[in-house]
Amino acid sequence: GNSVTQMEGPVTLSEEAFLTINCTYTATGYPSLFWYVQYPGEGLQLLLKATKADDKGSNKGFEATYRKETTSFHLEKGSVQVSDSAVYFCALSAYPNNAGNMLTFGGGTRLMVKP
Amino acid sequence: NAGVTQTPKFRILKIGQSMTLQCTQDMNHNYMYWYRQDPGMGLKLIYYSVGAGITDKGEVPNGYNVSRSTTEDFPLRLELAAPSQTSVYFCASSYGGTGVDTQYFGPGTRLTVL
Repeated sequence: GNSVTQMEGPVTLSEEAFLTINCTYTATGYPSLFWYVQYPGEGLQLLLKATKADDKGSNKGFEATYRKETTSFHLEKGSVQVSDSAVYFCALSAYPNNAGNMLTFGGGTRLMVKP
Repeated sequence: NAGVTQTPKFRILKIGQSMTLQCTQDMNHNYMYWYRQDPGMGLKLIYYSVGAGITDKGEVPNGYNVSRSTTEDFPLRLELAAPSQTSVYFCASSYGGTGVDTQYFGPGTRLTVL
């Protein structure tokens, strides 16, 4: 079956530090890959996505590259801010092999950025 | 533009009680979804709908029911609540159902069954 594994948190960084959150996946076919972010008290928001191998998704200074050879989609940011403190979820869509375009999520990684 | 809204935000139920979680979207999306999020776990799909009048089961449908009488609304019904249904419930919607379609999430309902 499909699965997503991401590093456990919490990850605690100082402001302006470099961020990496690891994400690896197992899926049938050629999935689309996503990073969602959940700020305190809010729902999940799409941060970035990549739909085929070697694609790079980017948004708000965050980047992730779809690596088919290592089945990975690691999230990176060069300089984090306090406002980046949130829970980050890696997810995949194994369309058309998933019912109803179901997303398969990792367990989430909590990021805390200190001033 | 409100996006996806959910009510209530919090609820405590006793074992055996029932309730309906409400979900409404104003983006004219065809697809709607219900997920649950257990502590330290990723979200799991309960039910989904591809349009008004059409619903289908996801990964973890037992103990739940849904209906979709309009494009905008997708309520989730819990019958005979059990402690195992203690979770955070998220409703989501998307325009289409392919791998490139973005799912938009509501703020969630935190449910505790005692």
